[in-house]
Amino acid sequence: SQQGEEDPQALSIQEGENATMNCSYKTSINNLQWYRQNSGRGLVHLILIRSNEREKHSGRLRVTLDTSKKSSSLLITASRAADTASYFCATSEGGGNKLTFGTGTQLKVEL
Amino acid sequence: GAGVSQTPSNKVTEKGKYVELRCDPISGHTALYWYRQSLGQGPEFLIYFQGTGAADDSGLPNDRFFAVRPEGSVSTLKIQRTERGDSAVYLCASSPGQGEGYTFGSGTRLTVV
Repeated sequence: SQQGEEDPQALSIQEGENATMNCSYKTSINNLQWYRQNSGRGLVHLILIRSNEREKHSGRLRVTLDTSKKSSSLLITASRAADTASYFCATSEGGGNKLTFGTGTQLKVEL
Repeated sequence: GAGVSQTPSNKVTEKGKYVELRCDPISGHTALYWYRQSLGQGPEFLIYFQGTGAADDSGLPNDRFFAVRPEGSVSTLKIQRTERGDSAVYLCASSPGQGEGYTFGSGTRLTVV
């Protein structure tokens, strides 16, 4: 079952613009993570934000977390064609380290 | 190793056959995970190992699916009597422990014909 839902499902922007993707989830979490996937194979971990954090930065990435609204957003600034990929949020809940992934946002950055 | 290695990268099998998918995690990573991903969907959890034991196998769809990790390193996902609906990319990941991000392998694309 999918815990998170990303919004929008697909996003097309011009190089240099910012891209914002949103993720909503249903249950209490320990942390929320964002992953990137190119061409339907392995996923790459981008950033992890814990439930007691509200914002985190990594290079051109900015992630926010609002636990009261059960939502997170991923902002990619100054996008590049190489950022074209699918982006997934994933949540960790309970005592284990199992991640539950959302349905993903397909980002296309055009030259 | 430097990353998570999955073999084979592609597997085509006939309906009803048995298949084994292998995952070699990052050395020292105690946690190992198997996921399945269908086209246009997010990865779906199958099973999670902490060391040699299955900590959570609640995602295995039925008793045709089984996974082992006998020495706490390499893991094998085994699928008996394969069905066309088992066709998907099977992803393996490992992590150092709780509260850490995963490192994924490149996956095995399984096609059941």
